[in-house]
Amino acid sequence: DGGITQSPKYLFRKEGQNVTLSCEQNLNHDAMYWYRQDPGQGLRLIYYSQIVNDFQKGDIAEGYSVSREKKESFPLTVTSAQKNPTAFYLCASHSPPNEQFFGPGTRLTVL
Amino acid sequence: GQQLNQSPQSMFIQEGEDVSMNCTSSSIFNTWLWYKQEPGEGPVLLIALYKAGELTSNGRLTAQFGITRKDSFLNISASIPSDVGIYFCAGRDSGTYKYIFGTGTRLKVLA
Repeated sequence: DGGITQSPKYLFRKEGQNVTLSCEQNLNHDAMYWYRQDPGQGLRLIYYSQIVNDFQKGDIAEGYSVSREKKESFPLTVTSAQKNPTAFYLCASHSPPNEQFFGPGTRLTVL
Repeated sequence: GQQLNQSPQSMFIQEGEDVSMNCTSSSIFNTWLWYKQEPGEGPVLLIALYKAGELTSNGRLTAQFGITRKDSFLNISASIPSDVGIYFCAGRDSGTYKYIFGTGTRLKVLA
């Protein structure tokens, strides 16, 4: 079945450590996205990529980095510079005429 | 970053009641979308709207694209317990890959 895989579902890290969240899609979508969701809040865009080897900052890119070396993959690194990294992270993909499709999310807890 | 205004923020309703929620923007969109998110999961697309004035149904759900292109509405008829979740609206301009999300409406259905 086509879809988006985010792994792991739950991730724990110590403060000051970088951590990379995985996102893989087999939908053949051109664009991929990372969102952050805090408890009781909406979705805030971190980064998005319209094509391979290109990506743009979203509204809250500080403290995060991404790469898009393959169409299927868009990993997100949460760096130690991100002051409040504990959150639910959602990856999504999109290609016209289809609309944005979301993965199951990764809950990151920084201890 | 821009977020769309959704109202109400939360609703507690009895099973069998109808539900209405809306989403407004300060700018025009060419596409309006409605997503549902259940706890700990990624949002799932419910309805996509592409034309001002368009009214589209998906089972008990009906959504409308406002004629000003600055708002959209979602109605759920005869609510059932599994309607519980957070409903997000999203807007997108044609030719762009960036989605703007609403703040969400949290729905709880009492049996």
